Amino acid sequence: RKEVEQDPGPFNVPEGATVAFNCTYSNSASQSFFWYRQDCRKEPKLLMSVYSSGNEDGRFTAQLNRASQYISLLIRDSKLSDSATYLCVVKPSAGGTSYGKLTFGQGTILTVHP
Amino acid sequence: GAVVSQHPSRVICKSGTSVKIECRSLDFQATTMFWYRQFPKQSLMLMATSNEGSKATYEQGVEKDKFLINHASLTLSTLTVTSAHPEDSSFYICSVRGLLAGTQETQYFGPGTRLLVL
Repeated sequence: RKEVEQDPGPFNVPEGATVAFNCTYSNSASQSFFWYRQDCRKEPKLLMSVYSSGNEDGRFTAQLNRASQYISLLIRDSKLSDSATYLCVVKPSAGGTSYGKLTFGQGTILTVHP
Repeated sequence: GAVVSQHPSRVICKSGTSVKIECRSLDFQATTMFWYRQFPKQSLMLMATSNEGSKATYEQGVEKDKFLINHASLTLSTLTVTSAHPEDSSFYICSVRGLLAGTQETQYFGPGTRLLVL
């Protein structure tokens, strides 16, 4: 089983649509969670952290369910510029050989069309 | 602005040659940098953790003699792909560990180096 699993998609949605991505992780001791965005042939860029209480940044809402080891990202009012690959990223617990490492999901491809 | 820079952004080389990629932390001193590799349509895979002033820590399956890492200063880490072969063609990305909003640790990525070995 992969450490971080995502539905690779692709998701094709019209402008203005609401779209949700899901992610599951296998290590229950994982400490921190992030969503990164990666444009074609570019490096990943941090979109937002994911907190247990859920957090929102403009049109983006992230949620974490530790009991189910499940993370989600909701994008409202999709824009053409939201087209990218969204990476679910998990940071293992602190200490030991895993210190500082990030584990990436395969990524979910989103295409927003006019 | 950019937090991490990489050079070169793109390199094409012949099989058997060695290629050096530089990663620089622009905004802060980095005792730890990370090197990733990404093949087409796949996710980022951590290759090694670069530690300033000491040996790099390599992930399982990554040959340390083939992928030489040097982290001689707090702002520079280099990855040298020795005797490159076509199967080494990939997107190599470095990252620097930083703090998000001063509290939560995350990583900031360089723009990546696209290597093509002919």
